[in-house]
Amino acid sequence: GAGVSQSPSNKVTEKGKDVELRCDPISGHTALYWYRQRLGQGLEFLIYFQGNSAPDKSGLPSDRFSAERTGESVSTLTIQRTQQEDSAVYLCASSQRGGQVPRTLHFGNGTRLTVT
Amino acid sequence: GQQLNQSPQSMFIQEGEDVSMNCTSSSIFNTWLWYKQDPGEGPVLLIALYKAGELTSNGRLTAQFGITRKDSFLNISASIPSDVGIYFCAAHTGTASKLTFGTGTRLQVTL
Repeated sequence: GAGVSQSPSNKVTEKGKDVELRCDPISGHTALYWYRQRLGQGLEFLIYFQGNSAPDKSGLPSDRFSAERTGESVSTLTIQRTQQEDSAVYLCASSQRGGQVPRTLHFGNGTRLTVT
Repeated sequence: GQQLNQSPQSMFIQEGEDVSMNCTSSSIFNTWLWYKQDPGEGPVLLIALYKAGELTSNGRLTAQFGITRKDSFLNISASIPSDVGIYFCAAHTGTASKLTFGTGTRLQVTL
């Protein structure tokens, strides 16, 4: 596709349920990032994948959060036992990693998660 | 962790006015970026800065990478209604793997 695609665009879930968010990066982009944006706030780094390297998970807020990426394609962010504080927009971004990182980070439109 | 302090948090301006916002940090960064986010969409890159002291323009936008490598500013000249949105600074050390984002400046333009 032309850009980063995220699904679903909106998700409402009950507290305690698990959710899975999906990101399709731009074809050929080796780097993929997940960020969280709470209402009226900036972007909070969650996790970063670069090719076959071990992902940088330093931003994951708790062990309820995990993410996977298959090769250089789709990534899924999973939140287990959701809490109301998890309500936010989850943004995925991808980039081509050249000599300087990241020259251009392309964002999807995000998944708006609401935990009731 | 690393933090970027962005100011102002929000601003209302008249159409046609110039706008200035800045971003500061206690840490040194090697790359500074400025993004704009429209409602319901992801941020879009406006300007990228890779060298201390660098001044770069993109149409009505001008951004500078501070000499100390701890700050950056963005200017918008002759603002128009479509400039409305949230502007984020972001920075990278070059050795870390992630971009750190500022808290954003919400720009609203009155006619």
